[in-house]
Amino acid sequence: GESVGLHLPTLSVQEGDNSIINCAYSNSASDYFIWYKQESGKGPQFIIDIRSNMDKRQGQRVTVLLNKTVKHLSLQIAATQPGDSAVYFCAENGSGNTGKLIFGQGTTLQVKP
Amino acid sequence: NAGVMQNPRHLVRRRGQEARLRCSPVKGHSHVYWYRQLPEEGLKFMVYLQKENIIDESGMPKERFSAEFPKEGPSILRIQQVVRGDSAAYFCASSPPGTQVKQPQHFGDGTRLSIL
Repeated sequence: GESVGLHLPTLSVQEGDNSIINCAYSNSASDYFIWYKQESGKGPQFIIDIRSNMDKRQGQRVTVLLNKTVKHLSLQIAATQPGDSAVYFCAENGSGNTGKLIFGQGTTLQVKP
Repeated sequence: NAGVMQNPRHLVRRRGQEARLRCSPVKGHSHVYWYRQLPEEGLKFMVYLQKENIIDESGMPKERFSAEFPKEGPSILRIQQVVRGDSAAYFCASSPPGTQVKQPQHFGDGTRLSIL
């Protein structure tokens, strides 16, 4: 079946360090992936996306890497700040016209001052 | 630019009552999605709608749950005869029209449903 999972439930980093959040997906037909950030009491906030014809995409302080061979996705946050503390979810969208996003369980990022 | 608006933010119902959750998508977006989130878990897809049409309801429970997205007005997720297990946060997302290139879904801040 389809599933998206994250390797670590909680990641604790020092302010200013880089953070790497990992995600494994099982549907090799998925062609679109999104990272979301969710703060307490709020909805998921879009961070960055990547399509299956790419293996890397950069945004402001964030980079997403896609390894289709091993079905692995990662989010790198440079110079992590206290405001980055949140739960991070990866989500996959299957091939075709499906609008359905499949979310992983989430990784809690804690930034220590 | 207003994002996805959901109301109410919090809803308390007693077992057996009906819950109606509303979602106004981003202006110009014609695709609406509903997800459910239990504490400490990821979001689970429920239903995908376009104006006046249900496209995919594979995540909707077969009974008591229904969704609509009328030509005018917000999308509504309706839960009849609520039970304790319906307690969760319900999120709505929207995306712009066009199916050639996938677009990110933009989420509202959810409705937290509590069943007494």
